Amino acid sequence: NAGVTQTPKFQVLKTGQSMTLQCAQDMNHNSMYWYRQDPGMGLRLIYYSASEGTTDKGEVPNGYNVSRLNKREFSLRLESAAPSQTSVYFCASRTGRAGSNEQFFGPGTRLTVL
Amino acid sequence: ILNVEQSPQSLHVQEGDSTNFTCSFPSSNFYALHWYRWETAKSPEALFVMTLNGDEKKKGRISATLNTKEGYSYLYIKGSQPEDSATYLCARPENGANNLFFGTGTRLTVIP
Repeated sequence: NAGVTQTPKFQVLKTGQSMTLQCAQDMNHNSMYWYRQDPGMGLRLIYYSASEGTTDKGEVPNGYNVSRLNKREFSLRLESAAPSQTSVYFCASRTGRAGSNEQFFGPGTRLTVL
Repeated sequence: ILNVEQSPQSLHVQEGDSTNFTCSFPSSNFYALHWYRWETAKSPEALFVMTLNGDEKKKGRISATLNTKEGYSYLYIKGSQPEDSATYLCARPENGANNLFFGTGTRLTVIP
């Protein structure tokens, strides 16, 4: 099993450009998450999907959209990138809906917006 | 938003020393407390998920305790090794909900 995979690993955008970060998991997990990690801020939840067909806002959703394409895939879209969105983005997944289940993280995407 | 705090922010210890650090969280509506280990250039990996007051979990030289009434958890590392160098994150879900709120982590460096 590959676990949680993310593409791309690195990306540089100019302000105003759009892009989609891809995430896929092969563990048959119901729930998937997008986080951003900034120095001194820890991991902050952008959006999550508790199950196929549902998405919910997290702590910092502004400037992002998500799509739960199917059970395996959960994408994050930046419609008009801003320098404040320079960050490392992590996708994660978890079986079930309960908060007592551990999350499995992807390798991250390092995004720089100029 | 849940306020999850970790201390210290960073820590340097000599190889062989034992160490511990703290995660503090709101005790109301407690459901679970997660600990993750995050090595540089890798992704976070789960160490423990704890749900019961007084829980104590152990994995090799690493152990954790939980006090849900006062809202804290300790992570202990016995006989630190250079490979223990990482950032240790704790997180708490809001009630039984899906979303986790993470602390900013404790960055541990073990000096050979």
